[in-house]
Amino acid sequence: TQLLEQSPQFLSIQEGENLTVYCNSSSVFSSLQWYRQEPGEGPVLLVTVVTGGEVKKLKRLTFQFGDARKDSSLHITAAQPGDTGLYLCAGVQTSYDKVIFGPGTSLSVIP
Amino acid sequence: KAGVTQTPRYLIKTRGQQVTLSCSPISGHRSVSWYQQTPGQGLQFLFEYFSETQRNKGNFPGRFSGRQFSNSRSEMNVSTLELGDSALYLCASSRGIANEQYFGPGTRLTVT
Repeated sequence: TQLLEQSPQFLSIQEGENLTVYCNSSSVFSSLQWYRQEPGEGPVLLVTVVTGGEVKKLKRLTFQFGDARKDSSLHITAAQPGDTGLYLCAGVQTSYDKVIFGPGTSLSVIP
Repeated sequence: KAGVTQTPRYLIKTRGQQVTLSCSPISGHRSVSWYQQTPGQGLQFLFEYFSETQRNKGNFPGRFSGRQFSNSRSEMNVSTLELGDSALYLCASSRGIANEQYFGPGTRLTVT
């Protein structure tokens, strides 16, 4: 059973466009992490959101945690080729001491 | 601080052989998790070690095993390799169990 779903699975856009990727679950999480993975490398932590409704900004990236702590979104403004990569969300269930990764959204930004 | 290191970076093995992969966590991190990543299955959790004890285990056969040493370094072993074991094996360290994960570059294993 896939506890975390991400959409879309693949996304190819032109440089300068805006985009949003989604991370959804029927489970409640204590916190949610977002990672970006570039080809041939390990994922790199971008941000952790903890409070329901929380919004965090990292330059052109805006992360939001759903009010019920079951979902999250990542919005990228004016995408650049350097944003290309696999975006993974990971939900933390502290009651089970588990971090659960979603399947990822593969983003390609074309110059 | 030095990041997570994994050795070797690339490995080619034959079906039926066994392999040992090594991971050195970030200094001060006591938890090490291992993941298998393939194009079809994504990132699959193998196991997590904390203070030399396995705390969580994913849904993998017993051919996959691991251990953690007193200095927090970890190894994972895969015995009787199968073609389907070809994957990128990632190690991640964290301060505690289910904390923010810091990944190494991975070991690319190819089984022929």
